[in-house]
Amino acid sequence: AQSVTQLDSHVSVSEGTPVLLRCNYSSSYSPSLFWYVQHPNKGLQLLLKYTSAATLVKGINGFEAEFKKSETSFHLTKPSAHMSDAAEYFCVVKPTDSWGKLQFGAGTQVVVTP
Amino acid sequence: NAGVMQNPRHLVRRRGQEARLRCSPMKGHSHVYWYRQLPEEGLKFMVYLQKENIIDESGMPKERFSAEFPKEGPSILRIQQVVRGDSAAYFCASSPQDRGGETQYFGPGTRLLVL
Repeated sequence: AQSVTQLDSHVSVSEGTPVLLRCNYSSSYSPSLFWYVQHPNKGLQLLLKYTSAATLVKGINGFEAEFKKSETSFHLTKPSAHMSDAAEYFCVVKPTDSWGKLQFGAGTQVVVTP
Repeated sequence: NAGVMQNPRHLVRRRGQEARLRCSPMKGHSHVYWYRQLPEEGLKFMVYLQKENIIDESGMPKERFSAEFPKEGPSILRIQQVVRGDSAAYFCASSPQDRGGETQYFGPGTRLLVL
């Protein structure tokens, strides 16, 4: 069985400072891992995904994430936060040899202050 | 290439009525997934369909909920005799195939409010 834990429900950062959103997963098989972003009352947009290629994955809008198998982590980072980054972020896991359902974390709400 | 389309975007129903939510996948996508997002929670998988087939409905409530993806037309999520606890955002996603790390592309969601 697979699951994903987002360690922070809320993160507040100042504009221009780094952002770190933490995610740990458990999976019986080699997983695919995703980060999605959801702006208020909008759908979900894919930020980046890991599918057993390079462990450092670069996504859109300056975000990147590093897959660390030894730590079962897939933390999302951005060097410099922008006001438009205020949103909810979801870490998602899917075993690569399975089909269908994505397993979502509970989400991390990011607030960016001027 | 239009993205995943869902309608209506907002739906208000009174207890006991029926709700029908529609999802048109991206062009070329034959795999459709429905997820539900309760307030202050992440998305929870409901059902996975291919054309005319339900592949996995392990996340669907046993009663009142049904889903279909006919040969022609959109996928439909149907909720009969709605209750207040059905109030949530319902998201549809699609993918061209479903193996490995295939990305699921999400629609804007339908926000259902049951009065």
